[in-house]
Amino acid sequence: NAGVTQTPKFQVLKTGQSMTLQCAQDMNHEYMSWYRQDPGMGLRLIHYSVGAGITDQGEVPNGYNVSRSTTEDFPLRLLSAAPSQTSVYFCASSYGGYGEAFFGQGTRLTVV
Amino acid sequence: SQQGEEDPQALSIQEGENATMNCSYKTSINNLQWYRQNSGRGLVHLILIRSNEREKHSGRLRVTLDTSKKSSSLLITASRAADTASYFCATERNQGGKLIFGQGTELSVKP
Repeated sequence: NAGVTQTPKFQVLKTGQSMTLQCAQDMNHEYMSWYRQDPGMGLRLIHYSVGAGITDQGEVPNGYNVSRSTTEDFPLRLLSAAPSQTSVYFCASSYGGYGEAFFGQGTRLTVV
Repeated sequence: SQQGEEDPQALSIQEGENATMNCSYKTSINNLQWYRQNSGRGLVHLILIRSNEREKHSGRLRVTLDTSKKSSSLLITASRAADTASYFCATERNQGGKLIFGQGTELSVKP
C-alpha cells in the first residue's frame, strides 16, 4: 500500500497564481485533513473532511478551498497565492473514530 | 490558537541517555498522541494515550498523562542517534481526525 500520497513535493508560485495540492490515500480512511507547518509553529489545521461530500474549516482556512468527491482524494486549492502561504503542507488520513493519523511526505510551497 | 505547548523546545543528549519531553494542553481531550518527524519528512505516529489512561509503554517509549494538570510527558529510554528528530504532541478532542499540535521538541542525540 502507498499510504498517503501528496503531489507535488515542491512548488514555486508567483503571487496571485492559483494551484491545487493533491492528496490521495489508499487505506479507505473516512477522515482526511490538511495542515500547514511553519517554523516554530508546529502544524496547524487548515481544512478537514469526515467523509465524501463533507468538509469543514480548521484553524487557518482563509485562502484555501477543499472538496471531497471521493473517499480517496482530498485536494487543497490555493485560490490566489500570497507570500504568507509559503509553508510545508501535509495531508493526513485516519480510519474513523479516534485514532492515529497517517501523514503524507509533504509539499514544500514557496510563493514569491 | 494552538492547543499544545511543548517543553523544552530543543534537547541535546548523548547516546544511551534518556530523553524527556513535556506537553501541556488547554481543553478537555479524548486522547493525546505523540508523533516523530525526521528532517524534511512527514510525521510518524508513535503512541496514543486515552484520557482515561495514566501511563502507556511502547518499546523504549513511555508516555504519561495527567488530565488534572492537562499535561503529558514522553520518555525515550536508552536513546540512539537514530532518535534524532522533532517530536510533537497532538490532542484529539472530537471525532473527525482533527489534531491540534504543539510546537514540537527538537531532539538531538549525539553518538
